[in-house]
Amino acid sequence: GESVGLHLPTLSVQEGDNSIINCAYSNSASDYFIWYKQESGKGPQFIIDIRSNMDKRQGQRVTVLLNKTVKHLSLQIAATQPGDSAVYFCAENINDYKLSFGAGTTVTVRA
Amino acid sequence: DAGITQSPRHKVTETGTPVTLRCHQTENHRYMYWYRQDPGHGLRLIHYSYGVKDTDKGEVSDGYSVSRSKTEDFLLTLESATSSQTSVYFCAISEQGKKLFFGSGTQLSVL
Repeated sequence: GESVGLHLPTLSVQEGDNSIINCAYSNSASDYFIWYKQESGKGPQFIIDIRSNMDKRQGQRVTVLLNKTVKHLSLQIAATQPGDSAVYFCAENINDYKLSFGAGTTVTVRA
Repeated sequence: DAGITQSPRHKVTETGTPVTLRCHQTENHRYMYWYRQDPGHGLRLIHYSYGVKDTDKGEVSDGYSVSRSKTEDFLLTLESATSSQTSVYFCAISEQGKKLFFGSGTQLSVL
């Protein structure tokens, strides 16, 4: 079946640089997308979401971009900090009450 | 974790024994979910509930059952635990079935 996936399983970033985490989805019927951050030993934590009628949404130090033409979702983190080290998941909702998750990208911030 | 309590946090059991995991919420959200998380598979939906006594299967429901007799409680039961059910189990809640909030997880080991 169709599923959400991430381009790279790991990302190493220098502290202070911007991070870009990518996600490709295959279901054109998806109408809602969401990013989660998961730290070791904890549950996933909501970061930001976006509906399919939007191309961009900004939060505090984070921006989500949605390109429906190529079915691509990205999460940008500005001025990456050590506390940003975690696994990041994208997920999609296909007009029902469930989320389908990608496998995750592990972000490591270098001091 | 958004008013979600999972119990127990850790459990070790033997193959063939029944196991029940509990999720309790204080947010009065309509939707509740059980996911399992395994290396290489991300988060996979086991069962979900869209109201009291209203439940449905997810993508990996075999070997699991659920019950929701009250809005605040969602129970996940492994009738006869197997080693393949060793995993981290997350409960999630949602007000409208879009943005999910996760609990801290239960680490289950089946020996």
